[in-house]
Amino acid sequence: GQQVQQSPASLVLQEGENAELQCNFSTSLNSMQWFYQRPGGSLVSLFYNPSGTKHSGRLTSTTVIKERRSSLHISSSQTTDSGTYLCALDGGQGTGSKLSFGKGAKLTVSP
Amino acid sequence: NSKVIQTPRYLVKGQGQKAKMRCIPEKGHPVVFWYQQNKNNEFKFLINFQNQEVLQQIDMTEKRFSAECPSNSPCSLEIQSSEAGDSALYLCASSLNWAETLYFGSGTRLTVL
Repeated sequence: GQQVQQSPASLVLQEGENAELQCNFSTSLNSMQWFYQRPGGSLVSLFYNPSGTKHSGRLTSTTVIKERRSSLHISSSQTTDSGTYLCALDGGQGTGSKLSFGKGAKLTVSP
Repeated sequence: NSKVIQTPRYLVKGQGQKAKMRCIPEKGHPVVFWYQQNKNNEFKFLINFQNQEVLQQIDMTEKRFSAECPSNSPCSLEIQSSEAGDSALYLCASSLNWAETLYFGSGTRLTVL
């Protein structure tokens, strides 16, 4: 089965609302990486988070290894936050693929 | 911001044609990965390199693709005979080492007619 389960698959918000995206994983990890994928396809790395909580502006990533989950919180969402958010489990050097991706969460923020 | 450069951005080929895409990793990054993202957002690992050497690749890549990462030249990934199922976004990523984060390029979107 898939190593990384991402939820929700899509989310629609009004500007100013908060978003919480989740990833659950079933295998051991080196780290969890969160990406924003632009409509054109390019991946922007948001966080590389092996454990604990990291902040970047309105974004917060929390990885709890014991509970096999990682989350991305977007506070006070803006229309420019719209796009696809992906989590990827970094299995480290032992795994050939290094990253196992979730299926993404499509976020739409309306004005 | 990532400095991985991928060309071309778009590639359109007929079935049976060769399809070649290129990637310039970030300067000083010896580790390079190629992934395929299909229209269902599913990522598939294709191949990785370290210092120009192939470390791992999936069966499909070994049989149907030609890939290299020469020193002082762009890395390349070439499908020898394109199939409709190869239509996807091909993403190249590089890293300083295996423990570090991967930095991705903008991708090459391949359409096989």
